[in-house]
Amino acid sequence: GQNIDQPTEMTATEGAIVQINCTYQTSGFNGLFWYQQHAGEAPTFLSYNVLDGLEEKGRFSSFLSRSKGYSYLLLKELQMKDSASYLCAVTNDYKLSFGAGTTVTVRA
Amino acid sequence: DVKVTQSSRYLVKRTGEKVFLECVQDMDHENMFWYRQDPGLGLRLIYFSYDVKMKEKGDIPEGYSVSREKKERFSLILESASTNQTSMYLCASSLGLAGVQETQYFGPGTRLLVL
Repeated sequence: GQNIDQPTEMTATEGAIVQINCTYQTSGFNGLFWYQQHAGEAPTFLSYNVLDGLEEKGRFSSFLSRSKGYSYLLLKELQMKDSASYLCAVTNDYKLSFGAGTTVTVRA
Repeated sequence: DVKVTQSSRYLVKRTGEKVFLECVQDMDHENMFWYRQDPGLGLRLIYFSYDVKMKEKGDIPEGYSVSREKKERFSLILESASTNQTSMYLCASSLGLAGVQETQYFGPGTRLLVL
């Protein structure tokens, strides 16, 4: 079975840093994706991790520990436009299993 | 840029109707997927296809069927719509290669209401 957990909601202030955690227990693992989804829109790709460690891409970074079944997405220098849902997804044989998503609200 | 389009943004249907949701991608992707997204449950895979005329059940296939007659087009069919199929339906496609190229690209979604 697949079990992917992430917090339901987080709130942060503009300019701050927020870390969204994701833990997973899955029957297979070929990598972990993070997607961003604004309200009423399609999910869009943010990052991919397959090896342990940190992947940095501008203001966004993603970390993976395969032995712990753990990942986080770090959003730095938060902007109002970062208010969205962030979806953690584990891939196995080209199929994605998603967590329920974390809604991040950025306040001025 | 990859473009995935879905035939409707909003649909209202009656219980018992047969419903067709169409998805088209323009990047020659091998794999195509249908998900439904419900509050608190996230995206759940209904069906996917890794080649023309091939299909595999996902996690929640009951009450749905699919058709892939052409590589670029993947249709989701609700044989007899029920109120518990009211949801947001998202189509996605991917190259079919491993690693970061497994990235799935999503269409804008179809919000279906079954009365």
